[in-house]
Amino acid sequence: GAGVSQTPSNKVTEKGKYVELRCDPISGHTALYWYRQSLGQGPEFLIYFQGTGAADDSGLPNDRFFAVRPEGSVSTLKIQRTERGDSAVYLCASSFFGRGLGEQFFGPGTRLTVL
Amino acid sequence: DQQVKQNSPSLSVQEGRISILNCDYTNSMFDYFLWYKKYPAEGPTFLISISSIKDKNEDGRFTVFLNKSAKHLSLHIVPSQPGDSAVYFCAASPNRDDKIIFGKGTRLHILP
Repeated sequence: GAGVSQTPSNKVTEKGKYVELRCDPISGHTALYWYRQSLGQGPEFLIYFQGTGAADDSGLPNDRFFAVRPEGSVSTLKIQRTERGDSAVYLCASSFFGRGLGEQFFGPGTRLTVL
Repeated sequence: DQQVKQNSPSLSVQEGRISILNCDYTNSMFDYFLWYKKYPAEGPTFLISISSIKDKNEDGRFTVFLNKSAKHLSLHIVPSQPGDSAVYFCAASPNRDDKIIFGKGTRLHILP
């Protein structure tokens, strides 16, 4: 079936603006994860959902970042008052909770540029 | 502090030979270890994983070795092919469905 999809693929915004990044997980996957990747670094964990609830949000850098998954499928990552340091590729992944050895399946990412 | 370390930023290997990518970790609570491959402008693609109760897992041309006492794992690719040229991330997780901690990656170049 279809993989994880993320929209938009690219987002350019100005410092101080609000942005929303969307993730559509693989159908039937119960767990959904957000990571961000800066240049020259590996993906860095932000938050993950088990169903509708955030199971671990310890990676969110500050209260400008928020994510929701109201119906247990699609998730939106929201960033308020964007700063230039928020520029990165935001990756979403999903998995079927309780199966396999922890492998998560990633989408192509949203490249966020804050001017 | 980096819990998962990939000390080689890049590696070049002749086509047909063995590629060996190395990784060290510091957290003894990690129970699952994974390797991901990434092409430019794409998300990471899962390659292979291993749980801490094993010391080897093989899938086709890819084999992952885990040495728990040394907190070291490696990925072997045999034989290396041109399509293997990519960035490889070593990753670890404390629980099967938990967050994954990634290393900084190693860029593998397969030479013709």
